[in-house]
Amino acid sequence: GENVEQHPSTLSVQEGDSAVIKCTYSDSASNYFPWYKQELGKRPQLIIDIRSNVGEKKDQRIAVTLNKTAKHFSLHITETQPEDSAVYFCAASISQGAQKLVFGQGTRLTINP
Amino acid sequence: DAGITQSPRHKVTETGTPVTLRCHQTENHRYMYWYRQDPGHGLRLIHYSYGVKDTDKGEVSDGYSVSRSKTEDFLLTLESATSSQTSVYFCAISEPPGASKEQFFGPGTRLTVL
Repeated sequence: GENVEQHPSTLSVQEGDSAVIKCTYSDSASNYFPWYKQELGKRPQLIIDIRSNVGEKKDQRIAVTLNKTAKHFSLHITETQPEDSAVYFCAASISQGAQKLVFGQGTRLTINP
Repeated sequence: DAGITQSPRHKVTETGTPVTLRCHQTENHRYMYWYRQDPGHGLRLIHYSYGVKDTDKGEVSDGYSVSRSKTEDFLLTLESATSSQTSVYFCAISEPPGASKEQFFGPGTRLTVL
């Protein structure tokens, strides 16, 4: 089955700097790659997603890139702000009906003022 | 937030007792899911449902059963709880591909098995 590896497990950056989180997946049939943000004690919330027919997607300060050949995808956050501090999860799935997400282990991002 | 609620939100129980967690949605979404979240493991799929009375196993289904008798309710049962099932449990919902792909999560249930 699918396996998703996420790095780093913790990341600390200065406010205003950029943050990059990387994930690799094993199943070449996976075609949907969402990123979730989870604040302490809260539910995961989708921040951006990408499908396998797209190489890059951007939404304001957040972007995701996908390399299908290498089977890896990355989350880029620019101009980081204190409210970006949270745990971020990548996931992968084969989107055929039920969306059986396989998650990475998570990255705890801390933005230092 | 999408209309998803979970009950109870917190539960402490003893090893060997049965436990049922409830997920309720008001969005009329077809698919429903149960995940567990543990440190160092992210979220892992336990079971999911693709319609009333239609369910299937996820990657960590041993020790769990589910039922869906109505579109809006998805129940997760631990027949005989063990300490390894201490976790935070999240329910989620989604629509079929072609509609929004987003999977919405409920607020979670923190379960402690002593």
